[in-house]
Amino acid sequence: KQEVTQIPAALSVPEGENLVLNCSFTDSAIYNLQWFRQDPGKGLTSLLLIQSSQREQTSGRLNASLDKSSGRSTLYIAASQPGDSATYLCAVGGSYIPTFGRGTSLIVHP
Amino acid sequence: GAGVSQTPSNKVTEKGKYVELRCDPISGHTALYWYRQSLGQGPEFLIYFQGTGAADDSGLPNDRFFAVRPEGSVSTLKIQRTERGDSAVYLCASSPGGPRSDTQYFGPGTRLTVL
Repeated sequence: KQEVTQIPAALSVPEGENLVLNCSFTDSAIYNLQWFRQDPGKGLTSLLLIQSSQREQTSGRLNASLDKSSGRSTLYIAASQPGDSATYLCAVGGSYIPTFGRGTSLIVHP
Repeated sequence: GAGVSQTPSNKVTEKGKYVELRCDPISGHTALYWYRQSLGQGPEFLIYFQGTGAADDSGLPNDRFFAVRPEGSVSTLKIQRTERGDSAVYLCASSPGGPRSDTQYFGPGTRLTVL
């Protein structure tokens, strides 16, 4: 059974810092990995989708990498802003069942 | 265009009652997913539809839970004889194709509270 772990569970940083959020998974037989953002009381917003054949994806200040062999993905956020405050979730896609981690709760304070 | 919508946004019911939760996916999306999210947890997969058929329902916790998608668009998640442990946010997502290649687009969720 796939298990997904996200570290750290919570993070509080001043505005402007570069951040790294980590996601690890136990079964490397995956099709893709997706990073989401969730604001309080809201649904999930897709940030980046990395297919298993890819190593990384970039969108604006966000960069996500994938290392299947080691079972790891990182989400890099450059020059963090207060508007980046949210919970960040990774979801590992294997077969038909995406498995989510518990998320990293991020607070960026001015 | 319109995103995924879910109704109701909040549902409060009493233990033992029957509830229906509705999901309207993005038009043209063939895949539809239901998840359940408890406080402080990531979403937990329940069921995945490809078109009208359930491609995988292995996440449904027991036979009190059932979902349909009769015309390949709108889906309804049905919970019989609700229990307090069913209280959670129920999320719906859709994607253009299958889960192996496509981004999933999520609705805002239905918060179910069983008293």
